[in-house]
Amino acid sequence: GESVGLHLPTLSVQEGDNSIINCAYSNSASDYFIWYKQESGKGPQFIIDIRSNMDKRQGQRVTVLLNKTVKHLSLQIAATQPGDSAVYFCAENIRPGGGADGLTFGKGTHLIIQP
Amino acid sequence: ETGVTQSPTHLIKTRGQQVTLRCSSQSGHNTVSWYQQALGQGPQFIFQYYREEENGRGNFPPRFSGLQFPNYSSELNVNALELDDSALYLCASSSTRMEDTQYFGPGTRLTVL
Repeated sequence: GESVGLHLPTLSVQEGDNSIINCAYSNSASDYFIWYKQESGKGPQFIIDIRSNMDKRQGQRVTVLLNKTVKHLSLQIAATQPGDSAVYFCAENIRPGGGADGLTFGKGTHLIIQP
Repeated sequence: ETGVTQSPTHLIKTRGQQVTLRCSSQSGHNTVSWYQQALGQGPQFIFQYYREEENGRGNFPPRFSGLQFPNYSSELNVNALELDDSALYLCASSSTRMEDTQYFGPGTRLTVL
């Protein structure tokens, strides 16, 4: 079964608000986590990553938080824009380079931006 | 854009046929991974190629096979197609086998009738 999952299949937010997308993982051996954005008809696009020796990492308008105690990962998007509408996946890697397991993805959260 | 390209964009096959999908990795990347993404689901790892050899494999039957060429491009071959093989097939490249970050191409949409 999947070791990475998401709490909500759909998240609707107002344009300009902040969005928080959550992810739970069950494999305590996971040492690397990635957030991808996938727009309709396109491949997943890398957003931000974090290693297990960190608990927070910031990018441009995005922040990833990692709570290893409860095996929880979140993606925060500041000042959400219409272009942020997409499906967001968290993925984990339990070993460098993927190897026999590759990346394990959750089912995804569909972020809808209301005008 | 990631620089990872895939061909063809779309493909329609019938049950029992064979298909070959192609991927060119991003410049400087020597590791290619293939994923299957069913509608409404996250991608599922099929296998990974590094230096022309299979480096790891997910839970897919042997009728899913691959190749990597000296220029690091790759092929995914699927024999004896089944209806459930209908999916988006994604190729991702990374700079080395030990590099975790994988960059995806646009995918090939395969429909099996």
